Amino acid sequence: AQSVTQLGSHVSVSEGALVLLRCNYSSSVPPYLFWYVQYPNQGLQLLLKYTTGATLVKGINGFEAEFKKSETSFHLTKPSAHMSDAAEYFCAVTLNNAGNMLTFGGGTRLMVKP
Amino acid sequence: EPEVTQTPSHQVTQMGQEVILRCVPISNHLYFYWYRQILGQKVEFLVSFYNNEISEKSEIFDDQFSVERPDGSNFTLKIRSTKLEDSAMYFCASSGNKGKPQHFGDGTRLSIL
Repeated sequence: AQSVTQLGSHVSVSEGALVLLRCNYSSSVPPYLFWYVQYPNQGLQLLLKYTTGATLVKGINGFEAEFKKSETSFHLTKPSAHMSDAAEYFCAVTLNNAGNMLTFGGGTRLMVKP
Repeated sequence: EPEVTQTPSHQVTQMGQEVILRCVPISNHLYFYWYRQILGQKVEFLVSFYNNEISEKSEIFDDQFSVERPDGSNFTLKIRSTKLEDSAMYFCASSGNKGKPQHFGDGTRLSIL
């Protein structure tokens, strides 16, 4: 079984500041990890994914995340926040020996102040 | 870029009625999924579908739920006798293969009165 915990249901940053959204997972086998973003009244859009290989992965809109096996973490970062980054962000895990169901964290709502 | 499309965007139904939510997955994808998100709660997996049969389902997906791929393009979720607690946003997703990223539609907001 797998689970995902996102620390902080709401995060507020100033425009231009560093964005850090935290995600920790538990998994009995090596996981595949994903970050999705949800804008109001829209579906889930894939930001980035980790499957195998390089542990630092880059995604769309300047976001990146680092898989740290020793810390069971997959935190999402962006060096400089834009107003357009305001949205809800979901971390998700699936198992690489099954690869079907995604298990989501509770989501983090990012607010960007001018 | 190909998209997953869902219809309707909003469905209002009386309790006890049947409802069918429709999805058109990305055309060359082989794996299909339904998830739901109750207001203020996590996105929850309901069911996955591959090769014309259910491959996984969660505890939420009880006998009131069914899925079907009636033709080569549509993927539907049917709730036989809706309950108030079925009110949620329902998301359809598809992927090209196991472990490949799932692409989501914009969802159908189901409101049970």
